[in-house]
Amino acid sequence: DGGITQSPKYLFRKEGQNVTLSCEQNLNHDAMYWYRQDPGQGLRLIYYSQIVNDFQKGDIAEGYSVSREKKESFPLTVTSAQKNPTAFYLCASMSLTGEDQPQHFGDGTRLSIL
Amino acid sequence: DAKTTQPTSMDCAEGRAANLPCNHSTISGNEYVYWYRQIHSQGPQYIIHGLKNNETNEMASLIITEDRKSSTLILPHATLRDTAVYYCIVRVTSAGKLIFGQGTELSVKP
Repeated sequence: DGGITQSPKYLFRKEGQNVTLSCEQNLNHDAMYWYRQDPGQGLRLIYYSQIVNDFQKGDIAEGYSVSREKKESFPLTVTSAQKNPTAFYLCASMSLTGEDQPQHFGDGTRLSIL
Repeated sequence: DAKTTQPTSMDCAEGRAANLPCNHSTISGNEYVYWYRQIHSQGPQYIIHGLKNNETNEMASLIITEDRKSSTLILPHATLRDTAVYYCIVRVTSAGKLIFGQGTELSVKP
């Protein structure tokens, strides 16, 4: 089935450690997005990419990094500079054919601090 | 960026229609209204979207007022599985970015 796969489902980080969250899509979508969700809140955009080897900062990019070496993959690294990384992280993708295509989301990765 | 306003929570009886309102008074002429829902600990699920005409699909109907300043999502026969947080979003079309508000927590009760 076509879709977006995020892994792992749960992740624990030690102080001072970088961790990488995986996002893969087989929908042949051009654009991919990373969001963060805190309890009881809506989603906030971290980074997005509309084409391979290019990406832009979203509203809360500090302490995060991304890469887009392949169309189907958009990993997110939560660095030690992100002082409050505990959250639910969601990846999305979207076709850029036409101006009104919806974003489709994965099932998320829940990151916690040990 | 156009902002949306939704009620914090709503209840609906199982089998009845659920009507979820959304205000987006600052929407621009070329901005679409999208609706998503999120069940606890899952990713948001796309429901429906529209520009100015009413839309219907297998999940729901979307009614947009003529002045486009508000819209209503209609779930025609709500079930217990429709209990979720529903987000009304006006998309920034230049980058496809979605600006999420707090959403409406819909509780469908037996």
